[in-house]
Amino acid sequence: EDKVVQSPLSLVVHEGDTVTLNCSYEVTNFRSLLWYKQEKKAPTFLFMLTSSGIEKKSGRLSSILDKKELFSILNITATQTGDSAVYLCAVKSNFGNEKLTFGTGTRLTIIP
Amino acid sequence: ETGVTQTPRHLVMGMTNKKSLKCEQHLGHNAMYWYKQSAKKPLELMFVYNFKEQTENNSVPSRFSPECPNSSHLFLHLHTLQPEDSALYLCASSPDRYQPQHFGDGTRLSIL
Repeated sequence: EDKVVQSPLSLVVHEGDTVTLNCSYEVTNFRSLLWYKQEKKAPTFLFMLTSSGIEKKSGRLSSILDKKELFSILNITATQTGDSAVYLCAVKSNFGNEKLTFGTGTRLTIIP
Repeated sequence: ETGVTQTPRHLVMGMTNKKSLKCEQHLGHNAMYWYKQSAKKPLELMFVYNFKEQTENNSVPSRFSPECPNSSHLFLHLHTLQPEDSALYLCASSPDRYQPQHFGDGTRLSIL
């Protein structure tokens, strides 16, 4: 059975700090890993990673995948209060189905 | 505005009621999904429809019955639910089964 473990479960930092969120996975025939941000309701898509060692970047957020060690990290630099959310990691296998397996998420709180 | 609209936003029902959740997407996507999000648990995939055909039923009890009349609309019919079915039900869509999924804001369901 596919499995995704995120750490830490929760994190509280001050505005301006840099944070690193972790996601490790076990999946049969890995296809891709995705990061989502969930504030109050709809998870919103951040990144999709398919290749090792290639950093994806969007503003202050960046993410990288290590397919050998089976993990990904999400970095947020110069955090702002608007970054407070639950960050979800999910993996998709390559068996031709559409199933995304999600982790339980990391709850990030940014203190002004 | 995510392009995926779910109604109602909140629903309270008794265990013997019959109700339906509705999802509509204006993104021209061909795949649609139902997820269940319970407190402190990962998002759980329930059903997948690809070009209106159901391609995945993730061992969901028969008291949940999906319907996909066209690629833009997805319903979840509810009947004789249990208290443990109280959760946030999220709908998502994607252009095809390989692309990132876009989520609606969800229906918060409470079973009395």
